[in-house]
Amino acid sequence: GENVEQHPSTLSVQEGDSAVIKCTYSDSASNYFPWYKQELGKGPQLIIDIRSNVGEKKDQRIAVTLNKTAKHFSLHITETQPEDSAVYFCAASVDYKLSFGAGTTVTVRA
Amino acid sequence: NAGVTQTPKFQVLKTGQSMTLQCAQDMNHNSMYWYRQDPGMGLRLIYYSASEGTTDKGEVPNGYNVSRLNKREFSLRLESAAPSQTSVYFCASSEDGQGTQHFGDGTRLSIL
Repeated sequence: GENVEQHPSTLSVQEGDSAVIKCTYSDSASNYFPWYKQELGKGPQLIIDIRSNVGEKKDQRIAVTLNKTAKHFSLHITETQPEDSAVYFCAASVDYKLSFGAGTTVTVRA
Repeated sequence: NAGVTQTPKFQVLKTGQSMTLQCAQDMNHNSMYWYRQDPGMGLRLIYYSASEGTTDKGEVPNGYNVSRLNKREFSLRLESAAPSQTSVYFCASSEDGQGTQHFGDGTRLSIL
């Protein structure tokens, strides 16, 4: 099955700096790559996603890049704010089955 | 618009007891999913239902059963709970297998 690895497991950044989270996947058939943000006591919320026919996607301060050849994809958050503090999960999907990374706890220091 | 609703939010069971976790979605989605989340790990797929009337095993199905009651509801049953099933359980739904999955806020289950 699909194996998704996510790094780093924790990330502390100064408010206003950028945060980068990287993920790799194993199944070349994976074609959908969402990123979720999870706040304490809540379910994961989709923040951005990318499909295999696209190399990069941006939504305001959030961007995702995908390198299918190398089987890795990354989340970039610019101009971080305190409300960006949360756990972030990457995932890779082949037909219904989402495989998640272990998560990155992001702390934005004021 | 409630999205995905899970009940109960918290539950404590004794080893060997049975329990059904309920999930309902109001987005008219075809596909529904059950995941478990353990500390330091991402979510792992237990079972999914691609459409009403179908269910399939995910990555960690042992010890669980599911029922797709109708298009809106998808339940997860633990027949004989074990301490290893202590976890947070999330239900999700999507329009189809390629669509965005929307998650509920979880059921926190402790088995003593």
